[in-house]
This record gives sequence, C-alpha cells and structure tokens, in this order.
Amino acid sequence: DQQVKQNSPSLSVQEGRISILNCDYTNSMFDYFLWYKKYPAEGPTFLISISSIKDKNEDGRFTVFLNKSAKHLSLHIVPSQPGDSAVYFCAASPFMAGANNLFFGTGTRLTVIP
Amino acid sequence: EAGVAQSPRYKIIEKRQSVAFWCNPISGHATLYWYQQILGQGPKLLIQFQNNGVVDDSQLPKDRFSAERLKGVDSTLKIQPAKLEDSAVYLCAAGIGTGELFFGEGSRLTVL
Repeated sequence: DQQVKQNSPSLSVQEGRISILNCDYTNSMFDYFLWYKKYPAEGPTFLISISSIKDKNEDGRFTVFLNKSAKHLSLHIVPSQPGDSAVYFCAASPFMAGANNLFFGTGTRLTVIP
Repeated sequence: EAGVAQSPRYKIIEKRQSVAFWCNPISGHATLYWYQQILGQGPKLLIQFQNNGVVDDSQLPKDRFSAERLKGVDSTLKIQPAKLEDSAVYLCAAGIGTGELFFGEGSRLTVL
C-alpha cells in the first residue's frame, strides 16, 4: 500500500523557469515531510523539510508547500538550473524528531533544459 | 552533516548465492536504517536499529535476509539465498534525531 504518491514520473522545464513537483499522502498520522534529491549512482540527499504546523518553508531557491486538508505537498524550484536535474523523492514520517521511519514516494525525474 | 560509508558499491551474484553489505555511519549515530530501492520505486524500509536493538523489521524477508548491528556502530545486511527479485540498491541511512535521514551511496546488487 503506497502511502506517499508522486503521480508524475517525469517533468521537463526550461532553465530559469519554475519547477513544481507534487506529492500526495494518505496517512493522516504523517506530520513531518521531506524532499530528497538523488543523482545517478548516489544516495538520496536531503533537500528541505516541513512540519505539519507550517504550510510553507523556504530555503533559497526551494520552497515546500503543505496543504494538510488535501494531504498534498509540493516543491517549487525557482529559478530552475541544469544542475537541478535529478530524481526527487517526497517522504513522510509520523514523527518530527527521534527514531522514525520515512515513507517514500516513487520519485519524479526532473530535467532542466538549458 | 552525517557521513555514511557503504561497501561494496556493486555486486553481481547468481541466484541462490549469498551476499553481504556493510554500513558504517561515520559519526556513530544511534539510529541506523537499511532501505531497499528497486528500480523505478522509492526506497522501502527493511530494518531499523536503535543502538544495538531492532526497532522495526516488519518488512524484512526473514527467511533470506538478516541484519545485525554490533556495538551500536556499523552494520551488515546479508541475503542468503538470493533471488532474482532481490536485485536492487541497498541503502543505509543514519538518523540524528532531527527528522531527516542521511544516506550512503548505496550498494547495487544484481542477481542473475
């Protein structure tokens, strides 16, 4: 049972434009959400996170939005750069801190076209 | 930032053979995870350790997979005997209590 879903397997955007990656979840116990970025032959690297008490978190070019009522979050990258081309995984957890497991989506491959 | 070392990076074996993967969360973090990532899917938890103890191994196929974490530092994941469907990247991750996990580069297993 896939509790975190990324329905778009791929996304292509022009350099300098906005990239919007979407994620939906089904488990209402999730209260901490993360985005990871993965390059080929490397492990996932943490990008940005948001707790359920917020609806927006921003870090430089990356902003994550959370809509708890819709069980939906999105990652905005502005402006997109060719180096952002990677697979992006959405992940969710029922805890904010401590020993907790992350549930991952299936990933969205972002291609930024120069 | 936590560093997580994994080896080997790549392994090719035939079905029914055995294989072992090693992980060392360099900074000695208390929580260690093994994830399996099959091509085209997201990482899926196999087992979670807190120090030496197992917190969650509900998704570990215990008839063929085993894992241990001696002395609360490094860990090994073993598969015996391997099946074709075990072909995947095995990711080790460390948690430092802030919510996010730090992953190693992974060990890619191909079972022929």
